[in-house]
Amino acid sequence: EAGVTQFPSHSVIEKGQTVTLRCDPISGHDNLYWYRRVMGKEIKFLLHFVKESKQDESGMPNNRFLAERTGGTYSTLKVQPAELEDSGVYFCASSQDTGARGEQYFGPGTRLTVT
Amino acid sequence: SQKIEQNSEALNIQEGKTATLTCNYTNYSPAYLQWYRQDPGRGPVFLLLIRENEKEKRKERLKVTFDTTLKQSLFHITASQPADSATYLCALISGNTPLVFGKGTRLSVIA
Repeated sequence: EAGVTQFPSHSVIEKGQTVTLRCDPISGHDNLYWYRRVMGKEIKFLLHFVKESKQDESGMPNNRFLAERTGGTYSTLKVQPAELEDSGVYFCASSQDTGARGEQYFGPGTRLTVT
Repeated sequence: SQKIEQNSEALNIQEGKTATLTCNYTNYSPAYLQWYRQDPGRGPVFLLLIRENEKEKRKERLKVTFDTTLKQSLFHITASQPADSATYLCALISGNTPLVFGKGTRLSVIA
């Protein structure tokens, strides 16, 4: 069974540019999560999709971040325009069930560097 | 304010010994606590989940305890091996709220 995949693995962009990260969850997993780890800090929740609907987007830092999950399959996270503080590793995770019942499977992450 | 603290940023132990990692939390009432392993360049991998009404959970060489009075979880790896070297993360969850992670402890098992 293929795991969660993320693309690209690493992105370097200049401040003010746009970047789109992609996540392909495990097939059949309705729940998809985005997290971010800024250097020196803990992994922090960004948002949660159930199929194509946003269940919880309380962790999104500001309106420069836009997440979509068309058709309830893969998801994209767009940062526009990128700022220096957006640098970090962005993880995607998926699960079959929600909450504590749902073991989350994480992708390898996308390392975003904004210069 | 709500806080999760993992005892130390790094822990070095000798091969064959038991590694004990600590996760303390304040101002949370988690229903569940999870432990993950993360290797460099990879995402976290789920290891164990323990519920608030469970005192202890075991899986092979791993043991987790959960003390809701002390607001603490201990994560033990017995007969540690160099292959156990990684960062270990604790994460809290309550109902359908998002996972809240600690910063992690980097464990190095020295042969």
